[in-house]
Amino acid sequence: QKEVEQDPGPLSVPEGAIVSLNCTYSNSAFQYFMWYRQYSRKGPELLMYTYSSGNKEDGRFTAQVDKSSKYISLFIRDSQPSDSATYLCAMDTGTASKLTFGTGTRLQVTL
Amino acid sequence: KAGVTQTPRYLIKTRGQQVTLSCSPISGHRSVSWYQQTPGQGLQFLFEYFSETQRNKGNFPGRFSGRQFSNSRSEMNVSTLELGDSALYLCASSLAVSGYGYTFGSGTRLTVV
Repeated sequence: QKEVEQDPGPLSVPEGAIVSLNCTYSNSAFQYFMWYRQYSRKGPELLMYTYSSGNKEDGRFTAQVDKSSKYISLFIRDSQPSDSATYLCAMDTGTASKLTFGTGTRLQVTL
Repeated sequence: KAGVTQTPRYLIKTRGQQVTLSCSPISGHRSVSWYQQTPGQGLQFLFEYFSETQRNKGNFPGRFSGRQFSNSRSEMNVSTLELGDSALYLCASSLAVSGYGYTFGSGTRLTVV
């Protein structure tokens, strides 16, 4: 079993919809939780960064971390065609100097 | 502010050859990490360097090696290339302390034929 599980999708939603992306993990040592967005033929771009449990909001994006359930989420409000990309969750213990990634969820926002 | 720069962007090599990839981190970032991205395995950690010292290494064979220079620039080398080494190789830089967000470059797409 992988340390981080993420549904690969693809997920197709109409423009304006609320999108929910999720990851589960098994390593309770993870303390830092990130969401990256990756467009085709580009490197991952850091979207959201959260330490420990709680919520964080940035514009149309909200990240949630529930450490008791080992579950993290990214919500995208008022989704736009430009949001079409692969979304990767990533986690870090804070001591290992490395990120552990989910496999990524491919999102398609249609007009 | 300049981002993480990786060169070259694309590379085609023959099985058995060796290859060197280069990464220039964001100015002030002293930690440089390397990841391999493939459709089947996703993003996998290769190694991380800080102040010219390798702090962590992923589960890859010894054919994969790296180094970091005093100006924080990093190179990774793959010797005796195999077809399975075809992948997008990504470099990421970060501030010194682990746990901060990492900024990725656009990657080097390596194709082994």
